[in-house]
Amino acid sequence: ELKVEQNPLFLSMQEGKNYTIYCNYSTTSDRLYWYRQDPGKSLESLFVLLSNGAVKQEGRLMASLDTKARLSTLHITAAVHDLSATYFCAVTGNQFYFGTGTSLTVIP
Amino acid sequence: KAGVTQTPRYLIKTRGQQVTLSCSPISGHRSVSWYQQTPGQGLQFLFEYFSETQRNKGNFPGRFSGRQFSNSRSEMNVSTLELGDSALYLCASSPFGGNQETQYFGPGTRLLVL
Repeated sequence: ELKVEQNPLFLSMQEGKNYTIYCNYSTTSDRLYWYRQDPGKSLESLFVLLSNGAVKQEGRLMASLDTKARLSTLHITAAVHDLSATYFCAVTGNQFYFGTGTSLTVIP
Repeated sequence: KAGVTQTPRYLIKTRGQQVTLSCSPISGHRSVSWYQQTPGQGLQFLFEYFSETQRNKGNFPGRFSGRQFSNSRSEMNVSTLELGDSALYLCASSPFGGNQETQYFGPGTRLLVL
């Protein structure tokens, strides 16, 4: 079974700082997704990465994919409070396999 | 376009009862997937339906079942509820599914089993 691991599980960071969330997966996958979940809410799609070296950016978030290393990163630039949420990566095999999630708290 | 809708949003049941949850996909989407989300196990895939047929199933006991109607709406049923079934149940839709498309999630049904 495909395994997806994220780290860190919990991240507390100050506004204005940069940080990276890592997503490792165990076997080859066609594509990788990043989702955001606010407390008590559903999952919102952020990015889909389709090939090795793919990079997507939206505002203060940038996602990248290295299929050889089976690694995706979600980089946060100059964090703001509104980015506080749980971030999930997911890879596809015969189904969607979600990572454990990274709970991000941005402190003023 | 309206998003994915799920009803009810909250449910409280007791052990041994059964429950039915409903999901209406985004208009035009024919694939519906169901997930269970718990703090301990995270997001786990239950099953996917496409054109009224179950296309894929996760590793859950037979107490968990589902179906899809001709209008793509889907229901999932859990029989003989256990305490461990307490979770947020999410459904997601996509045009054709098969794990090659972004899935769009509904708000979820929070089930509490007492």
